[in-house]
Amino acid sequence: GAVVSQHPSWVICKSGTSVKIECRSLDFQATTMFWYRQFPKQSLMLMATSNEGSKATYEQGVEKDKFLINHASLTLSTLTVTSAHPEDSSFYICSAEYFGPSGNNEQFFGPGTRLTVL
Amino acid sequence: QKEVEQDPGPLSVPEGAIVSLNCTYSNSAFQYFMWYRQYSRKGPELLMYTYSSGNKEDGRFTAQVDKSSKYISLFIRDSQPSDSATYLCAMSLNTGTASKLTFGTGTRLQVTL
Repeated sequence: GAVVSQHPSWVICKSGTSVKIECRSLDFQATTMFWYRQFPKQSLMLMATSNEGSKATYEQGVEKDKFLINHASLTLSTLTVTSAHPEDSSFYICSAEYFGPSGNNEQFFGPGTRLTVL
Repeated sequence: QKEVEQDPGPLSVPEGAIVSLNCTYSNSAFQYFMWYRQYSRKGPELLMYTYSSGNKEDGRFTAQVDKSSKYISLFIRDSQPSDSATYLCAMSLNTGTASKLTFGTGTRLQVTL
């Protein structure tokens, strides 16, 4: 249980184009999902918190107009990188919040999407 | 100063060794502590979580939290080549909804035959 998928697993695009990344909770409903970015040999940095049915909350320094987040259902959140540039090349990882039988909540992560902008 | 400090390694140990991975943190408000394992080009996988000082054991893994010293550890017994991965510590201020995680940089572990 508690499986999170991401699509695509990798994408290469030209500078100036937009790329959409999907994050799905496969066997549970997730009111809250998170989007992270990870540069090589660095840790995961939280970009934004995605809440189903409401606007995402962005971390300081993350441009909301550049990284559009939509959480239209309890199992799907999307991240769109608009007008991508080479400096946006990174590993984008989502996580979904799962409430287990014991009542504790945990974050389960997707496998990540590697974005390369040429 | 980063909120969470973790030695990036790499740490190389022979098969069967006991591995000790550590993180220190500066924010005493952190209450919830986790260890994730991340294989190359994959998302992190939760190994252990705890929210109190002391030890928690799960198979070959033991998580240790010392809130007074702001120090957490993960011990791996009888290490295997399949344990070779990057280990990330993470922590949050609470266990409520939408708990934001703060990660360490990760320690790369290599277990050799």
